[in-house]
Amino acid sequence: AQSVTQPDIHITVSEGASLELRCNYSYGATPYLFWYVQSPGQGLQLLLKYFSGDTLVQGIKGFEAEFKRSQSSFNLRKPSVHWSDAAEYFCAVVNTGGFKTIFGAGTRLFVKA
Amino acid sequence: DGGITQSPKYLFRKEGQNVTLSCEQNLNHDAMYWYRQDPGQGLRLIYYSQIVNDFQKGDIAEGYSVSREKKESFPLTVTSAQKNPTAFYLCASSIGTAPYEQYFGPGTRLTVT
Repeated sequence: AQSVTQPDIHITVSEGASLELRCNYSYGATPYLFWYVQSPGQGLQLLLKYFSGDTLVQGIKGFEAEFKRSQSSFNLRKPSVHWSDAAEYFCAVVNTGGFKTIFGAGTRLFVKA
Repeated sequence: DGGITQSPKYLFRKEGQNVTLSCEQNLNHDAMYWYRQDPGQGLRLIYYSQIVNDFQKGDIAEGYSVSREKKESFPLTVTSAQKNPTAFYLCASSIGTAPYEQYFGPGTRLTVT
């Protein structure tokens, strides 16, 4: 069965520092991968997605992610974090047959001044 | 503006009562979804609908029911059979079922005492 693992439950970074959130997936074929962000008490918003092609994907709010098939990873990065980036981040993968999106447990990002 | 609305934002019920959560979208999307979110568990799929008058059980459908009589509406009923209904409920829609990205509503926090 497909699965998504986000190894870090929470991460704290200083404002202005770089960020990398990890995501590993279990999938037999080329996956469809997503990163969503959720502010407290709100719904999720799509940051970026990977379907095929260039393995480095640019998203909104200055985020990017790199698909590495050999490592089954799709890590999210941002070169300089802003206080407004504090939120929970979810990695997601589409399952075989494409009928269901499977979400990771999420990584909560804290930004310190 | 197009989007998804969920009402109410907060809902309180006594144990043993059924309660219906509203979800409306004006994005002209065919597919709609209901998720339950608990701390540290990511999003779990309750029900999804690919088209009007059709819906499928997700991973945790027991104690829940849905209807899809109109394309824009996908209400969720939490029945008294749901053993632990207190949670944050998210509705989402997409152009079709996966691999399309999902658009989320702001969520409803249900508290049952």
